[in-house]
Amino acid sequence: GAVVSQHPSWVICKSGTSVKIECRSLDFQATTMFWYRQFPKQSLMLMATSNEGSKATYEQGVEKDKFLINHASLTLSTLTVTSAHPEDSSFYICSARRDSVVAQHFGDGTRLSIL
Amino acid sequence: GIQVEQSPPDLILQEGANSTLRCNFSDSVNNLQWFHQNPWGQLINLFYIPSGTKQNGRLSATTVATERYSLLYISSSQTTDSGVYFCAVGGGADGLTFGKGTHLIIQP
Repeated sequence: GAVVSQHPSWVICKSGTSVKIECRSLDFQATTMFWYRQFPKQSLMLMATSNEGSKATYEQGVEKDKFLINHASLTLSTLTVTSAHPEDSSFYICSARRDSVVAQHFGDGTRLSIL
Repeated sequence: GIQVEQSPPDLILQEGANSTLRCNFSDSVNNLQWFHQNPWGQLINLFYIPSGTKQNGRLSATTVATERYSLLYISSSQTTDSGVYFCAVGGGADGLTFGKGTHLIIQP
């Protein structure tokens, strides 16, 4: 089945640090990937849609200069949280969709803690 | 945007019991997926079911697209079924809108 790998699983860092999270589709090409965020005891919220070779589309209220997305190949999208602060602490999870297939496959998520 | 409502929000059952989880959505969709989120946060993909009925072991799901709802059935519950069950919908090529989830606890 479709496998999506996300790295790292855990990040703990100091306030002001920039953190990069990688999302890879291991056995299929994904023109489109998605980034979601989940705060404790809450549901998942779509942050942005990552399109290979073009700019990402951000949901309302998500700062594009804060959350930089790069989708340079058909198997890799990265999310960089720039100058992270404690309020950015959250669970970040990506998904990928095979071209011509609707269902999304999710990575295992990255738990980000900013001290 | 599309609204997704899940019920019940919480459910506590004894091992061996059956349960039905419901997902209502406010507009037509091309994608509906059910997930189980385990205690480590992993989203386990249960079903891709924008319409019709599917079964996988003790789990089955039915989506009635014309009436904008989906049901997830869990039979003969086991303690390992505990966790949060999410319904998520989308327009096909779009990102998913998640419901708030049903928190299921199966007691031994």
